[in-house]
Amino acid sequence: AQKITQTQPGMFVQEKEAVTLDCTYDTSDQSYGLFWYKQPSSGEMIFLIYQGSYDEQNATEGRYSLNFQKARKSANLVISASQLGDSAMYFCAMREPYTGRRALTFGSGTRLQVQP
Amino acid sequence: DVKVTQSSRYLVKRTGEKVFLECVQDMDHENMFWYRQDPGLGLRLIYFSYDVKMKEKGDIPEGYSVSREKKERFSLILESASTNQTSMYLCASSLFPRGTESSYEQYFGPGTRLTVT
Repeated sequence: AQKITQTQPGMFVQEKEAVTLDCTYDTSDQSYGLFWYKQPSSGEMIFLIYQGSYDEQNATEGRYSLNFQKARKSANLVISASQLGDSAMYFCAMREPYTGRRALTFGSGTRLQVQP
Repeated sequence: DVKVTQSSRYLVKRTGEKVFLECVQDMDHENMFWYRQDPGLGLRLIYFSYDVKMKEKGDIPEGYSVSREKKERFSLILESASTNQTSMYLCASSLFPRGTESSYEQYFGPGTRLTVT
């Protein structure tokens, strides 16, 4: 069974600084995908970034980058130059094998608060 | 833009009532999912469907059923609502994966916050 662990229930960061949100995963599959979603207080889930297990380079999307360390089974999200609008819950998730349920397994989330 | 809509943002029901949560997506996605979100637990899969009239149990299906009569619509049914079903319910949809490395990102609706009293 797949498992996602997010060990930081809450994080604080100063505006304009960088922050790293931790995510470790456990799977026996060779092919998998890792996602990060943002959930503002309004409740909608916003897709941020994706990393495939065979991707050799770390994924980047604007101010978001994914620090993928396959051997350590970690997929940390790095947000550069934090903004007040980055305050939200952040979820790490793993795609189940595409031959299976095709659902996502989620971690428990990290609440990020950006301080002015 | 992909759009996933849910019938209600907030819902209050009484114990024992039958509750219907509706979800509609407009991007012709094959896969649809219902998740439940509780503090400290993240999102947990209740049911999913990869085709019309097809449904599969997720990790926490007890007390729930689903219906998918049309490709764009996936309904979650609480047969007899109980207080422990008070939660945020999120619907999602995605394309059928075309390759082993397809992201098939899931698109989420705005969520329904259900309170059972």
